[in-house]
Amino acid sequence: KQEVTQIPAALSVPEGENLVLNCSFTDSAIYNLQWFRQDPGKGLTSLLLIQSSQREQTSGRLNASLDKSSGRSTLYIAASQPGDSATYLCAADNYGQNFVFGPGTRLSVLP
Amino acid sequence: GAVVSQHPSWVICKSGTSVKIECRSLDFQATTMFWYRQFPKQSLMLMATSNEGSKATYEQGVEKDKFLINHASLTLSTLTVTSAHPEDSSFYICSASLLNEKLFFGSGTQLSVL
Repeated sequence: KQEVTQIPAALSVPEGENLVLNCSFTDSAIYNLQWFRQDPGKGLTSLLLIQSSQREQTSGRLNASLDKSSGRSTLYIAASQPGDSATYLCAADNYGQNFVFGPGTRLSVLP
Repeated sequence: GAVVSQHPSWVICKSGTSVKIECRSLDFQATTMFWYRQFPKQSLMLMATSNEGSKATYEQGVEKDKFLINHASLTLSTLTVTSAHPEDSSFYICSASLLNEKLFFGSGTQLSVL
């Protein structure tokens, strides 16, 4: 059964810093891996989706990498801003239709 | 991009009543919709997978008779929490699958049962 973990559980950084969020999964036979952002009281926003054949995806200041062999994905956020404060979730998709979510990393970017 | 609309955004109800939550894909046909539940400080957990025109597939531990899911069309799925109790208070989120790949999520429904 797929298990997804995320480190750290919480992170607080000053504005402008570059940061890395880590995601690990136990079953490397994934279809894709997706990173989400969750703001308090709101639904999830999909940030990046990495197909199993890809190694990374970029969107603006965000870059996500995928290493299936080691069961790891990282989300890199460049030049962090207070508006980046949220909970970031990664999710591994084993069957092409649903996901196993990690517990999330709660990010606070201080002005 | 694709939009999934979820209503209501929040609902407060008395114990014993039933609550219906709607999930609509506004500009695409979603053959599959998913319902998740998130308790405070916990990760989002899949409750059930809903395919248009067929019975929903529930995850282990989710009561079928309590959480009724109807997926009557390619753009609408509903989740009804029957005889709600305070322990059902949670954040419920739906998502719709586009081309069986990318997921698009509703804005979520905060349910509070008094």
